[in-house]
Amino acid sequence: RKEVEQDPGPFNVPEGATVAFNCTYSNSASQSFFWYRQDCRKEPKLLMSVYSSGNEDGRFTAQLNRASQYISLLIRDSKLSDSATYLCVVMNTGFQKLVFGTGTRLLVSP
Amino acid sequence: DTAVSQTPKYLVTQMGNDKSIKCEQNLGHDTMYWYKQDSKKFLKIMFSYNNKELIINETVPNRFSPKSPDKAHLNLHINSLELGDSAVYFCASSIQGAEAFFGQGTRLTVV
Repeated sequence: RKEVEQDPGPFNVPEGATVAFNCTYSNSASQSFFWYRQDCRKEPKLLMSVYSSGNEDGRFTAQLNRASQYISLLIRDSKLSDSATYLCVVMNTGFQKLVFGTGTRLLVSP
Repeated sequence: DTAVSQTPKYLVTQMGNDKSIKCEQNLGHDTMYWYKQDSKKFLKIMFSYNNKELIINETVPNRFSPKSPDKAHLNLHINSLELGDSAVYFCASSIQGAEAFFGQGTRLTVV
């Protein structure tokens, strides 16, 4: 079983739609959680950290459920520029490494 | 100012050759990483260094040898390159326990 699992997609949505991505992780002792975004042929870039209480940054909302070992990302009012691969990332115990999910591809169309 | 820079951006080489990729960060971070992204786009950690000390080696073949001359640099040397080494290699840095910042990647093609 992969340490971090995501639906690879692609998710095809029209502009203005709301889309949600989910992610599960296997290590219950994981301590930090992030969403990264990767555009084609580019490096991954931090989108947002994920906090236990849930957090929002503009059109993006991240949630963490430690009991279910589940992380989510909600994107409201999708823009064409949101088209990318969204990577769920978990920091393992001891802060030694970031473990990446396989990514979920989002395609926003006009 | 590029925060994490790696060179070269592209590298095409023949099987059996030895090559190096350089990485430098100017963020003052204490931890640096090498990740490999294969053709299926999966990002997998190879090495992690904290304050120049190796703390993670994810069962990477001995042909891969990282070197950290100081906290701001983590270079990757690869001996006897194989076809399966073709991938994009990303360097990254962080403050230990926090999010990582990535270089633009080195696309290695072994022919």
